[in-house]
Amino acid sequence: IAGITQAPTSQILAAGRRMTLRCTQDMRHNAMYWYRQDLGLGLRLIHYSNTAGTTGKGEVPDGYSVSRANTDDFPLTLASAVPSQTSVYFCASSVSPGQGAWEQFFGPGTRLTVL
Amino acid sequence: GQNIDQPTEMTATEGAIVQINCTYQTSGFNGLFWYQQHAGEAPTFLSYNVLDGLEEKGRFSSFLSRSKGYSYLLLKELQMKDSASYLCAVTDSNYQLIWGAGTKLIIKP
Repeated sequence: IAGITQAPTSQILAAGRRMTLRCTQDMRHNAMYWYRQDLGLGLRLIHYSNTAGTTGKGEVPDGYSVSRANTDDFPLTLASAVPSQTSVYFCASSVSPGQGAWEQFFGPGTRLTVL
Repeated sequence: GQNIDQPTEMTATEGAIVQINCTYQTSGFNGLFWYQQHAGEAPTFLSYNVLDGLEEKGRFSSFLSRSKGYSYLLLKELQMKDSASYLCAVTDSNYQLIWGAGTKLIIKP
């Protein structure tokens, strides 16, 4: 593979269920990001990781958690899904945060519907 | 607060020129990005400006004025495949990207 993959492509989930969205990159990028995109609101940062072993909160972190055990994988977990988490979720990566601004590369997205 | 403003929607004719504006107010500035996003797809990188002036890349150009907190994306010789949303994003003092809501560009024959 080349780039970023996300799984699943789409999912319908009952409220209250736990769900993990998967993200894997093979570009050896240090930084990874999770965004949600809602109509009229643009991309909003949920969580980020500047390097393996570290994570940080973005603009809308509540209800979500992440881990970064290695360079390639950055899963996003919804502990107990609610309908307001219905959205399109994009994972992205960049060479490095800081020390200049770096282009972010995006995965194809996961369309999540919580009923 | 941090804010990025872009028009919600624009319409242009195939073969014409269109300018999409972006104004920003952020805590610090470390560069401005433009991304293209076709419906149902992921955003893809178009351009990056960190110094004042015009950056040209084929049919697309991007301009930045840091003193005015202003950028524009200029698309020339419009093609139907240019129908997409165009996202403006600014890197703030913490090197996090702040995104605008995007401008949906509709190209008519």
